[in-house]
Amino acid sequence: NAGVTQTPKFQVLKTGQSMTLQCAQDMNHNSMYWYRQDPGMGLRLIYYSASEGTTDKGEVPNGYNVSRLNKREFSLRLESAAPSQTSVYFCASSPGPFISYNEQFFGPGTRLTVL
Amino acid sequence: AQTVTQSQPEMSVQEAETVTLSCTYDTSESDYYLFWYKQPPSRQMILVIRQEAYKQQNATENRFSVNFQKAAKSFSLKISDSQLGDAAMYFCAYRSARRDDKIIFGKGTRLHILP
Repeated sequence: NAGVTQTPKFQVLKTGQSMTLQCAQDMNHNSMYWYRQDPGMGLRLIYYSASEGTTDKGEVPNGYNVSRLNKREFSLRLESAAPSQTSVYFCASSPGPFISYNEQFFGPGTRLTVL
Repeated sequence: AQTVTQSQPEMSVQEAETVTLSCTYDTSESDYYLFWYKQPPSRQMILVIRQEAYKQQNATENRFSVNFQKAAKSFSLKISDSQLGDAAMYFCAYRSARRDDKIIFGKGTRLHILP
């Protein structure tokens, strides 16, 4: 099992460009998440999907859109990138909901720089 | 709203010694889960240990153990016999046992291991 995979691992964008971060999991998990990690801020939830066909905003959704393409895949789109979106982005998945612990499994992260 | 606080941004410990990382949380709920995640320089988020709030017994995983004080809303991580590979950022995290399975992360503690 590959677990949670993310592409790309690194990306540099210019202000105003768009891009999509891809995430896939092969653990048959129901829930998937997108986080951003900034120095001194921990991980902040951007969007999550509790099950296929549903998505909900997290703590910092502005400037992002998501698509739960199927049970395996959950993509994050930046329509018009801004320097404030320079960050490391993590995708995660969990068995949930209604599953004990429902711990999250993380992908390796994408380092995004917006110039 | 629930919050997770890690009051020690950085800590250092001598190799083979014991170190304790602090975490406090704020919640009005009685049923929840707590986690410690490790993030080494590779950026990969790794689950270290987890605890269910209704369990009075503290969780242990090899050299890692927790001191869970429910009344004080405290969840500290003890690392015994510290090894160089323990050097990482450590995140404390909280998840409600309700249907909403979002995880709330603290801002992290960077642990340095001194040879």
